[in-house]
Amino acid sequence: NAGVTQTPKFQVLKTGQSMTLQCAQDMNHNSMYWYRQDPGMGLRLIYYSASEGTTDKGEVPNGYNVSRLNKREFSLRLESAAPSQTSVYFCASREGTYNEQFFGPGTRLTVL
Amino acid sequence: DQQVKQNSPSLSVQEGRISILNCDYTNSMFDYFLWYKKYPAEGPTFLISISSIKDKNEDGRFTVFLNKSAKHLSLHIVPSQPGDSAVYFCAASTDNYGQNFVFGPGTRLSVLP
Repeated sequence: NAGVTQTPKFQVLKTGQSMTLQCAQDMNHNSMYWYRQDPGMGLRLIYYSASEGTTDKGEVPNGYNVSRLNKREFSLRLESAAPSQTSVYFCASREGTYNEQFFGPGTRLTVL
Repeated sequence: DQQVKQNSPSLSVQEGRISILNCDYTNSMFDYFLWYKKYPAEGPTFLISISSIKDKNEDGRFTVFLNKSAKHLSLHIVPSQPGDSAVYFCAASTDNYGQNFVFGPGTRLSVLP
């Protein structure tokens, strides 16, 4: 039981390049989330998926797209990376509304 | 404007003593609160939660207190251990947010041997 896995762990991009961050969970959770964490700030929600086939914007969605490929997988795409997207990205999953979220180990992204 | 605040960026405590981490919130609609712990290079892990119908919840060495009138919650760790050294995030949610938690900026706890 691996929980929530994320790939890659680290990535360096040049401004304007694109990439996709992958996330998978093996807990059969319906809801999945993408957060970013910046120094001195809490985790901020980028996008979430309440169930397979649905996605919704969070607090900071600009510059990102997501795909809920199936119940297990939720990917985050940067179409044209910008230095402001340098951050640590966390994927999470949850079952139910008033339950805790389970987080992946994070992807550290640097955009030059 | 931050809806969830953790005004102490860092805290140092001697091993065996009590650690008290504080969190304040502004949205009176929040009705469910959680604490997460985060080690470097790892994702946050759930520690303890409390619903607004309670004012206290305990789990082993960890106790969370909620003061709704003051919009304040605190996490007490007794006794503190060096392995508790981590960043602690407070998070809040409400029916209206459904799928989202609002996180505070975190407090870095250092437990000194």
